[in-house]
Amino acid sequence: EPEVTQTPSHQVTQMGQEVILRCVPISNHLYFYWYRQILGQKVEFLVSFYNNEISEKSEIFDDQFSVERPDGSNFTLKIRSTKLEDSAMYFCASSGPPTNEKLFFGSGTQLSVL
Amino acid sequence: DQQVKQNSPSLSVQEGRISILNCDYTNSMFDYFLWYKKYPAEGPTFLISISSIKDKNEDGRFTVFLNKSAKHLSLHIVPSQPGDSAVYFCAASAFGNKLVFGAGTILRVKS
Repeated sequence: EPEVTQTPSHQVTQMGQEVILRCVPISNHLYFYWYRQILGQKVEFLVSFYNNEISEKSEIFDDQFSVERPDGSNFTLKIRSTKLEDSAMYFCASSGPPTNEKLFFGSGTQLSVL
Repeated sequence: DQQVKQNSPSLSVQEGRISILNCDYTNSMFDYFLWYKKYPAEGPTFLISISSIKDKNEDGRFTVFLNKSAKHLSLHIVPSQPGDSAVYFCAASAFGNKLVFGAGTILRVKS
């Protein structure tokens, strides 16, 4: 069964450093998403991406965050200058036909900012 | 953002019995509802969904009920199995936009 893959599974970084989280969505999917879950809290929407542009973003997704689809298969989330409060599990998701509303999630990247 | 609420943080059920997980929503524009299951250190896994034009959808041991007038949906698992122990998230979307998640309910199925 096709799946969304995320790398790395764990990332430890120093505050102020840049991190790039990588995702390979399911190949025929057209919609891509990043969500995050801070320990003990709910899964929060960050950004959605369609047709090579951001279609929606939350207030969490400020100027420190950016997304990119650099080639036909990868989808990345960059945090330019990490803060302690960015520590969370970051989930990539994708969706596509026949049911665009059904998101398939990767197993996540645990980001720890020290 | 409290558009999707799961008011029970946890539920404990005996193996073989029915598990009922509940979810309430406030946004009347939501037209698609999903349940996801999540194990620790894994991503949410799609379980079952329902469109707002239906009031019930069944898939094996899992049934989702939607009551639009009450803005309430529930997930029934019958019979419950120990492997069903996980966190269950209710999620909703409007017109194919982002999914909004509830806080989750931890289900423990005791053998």
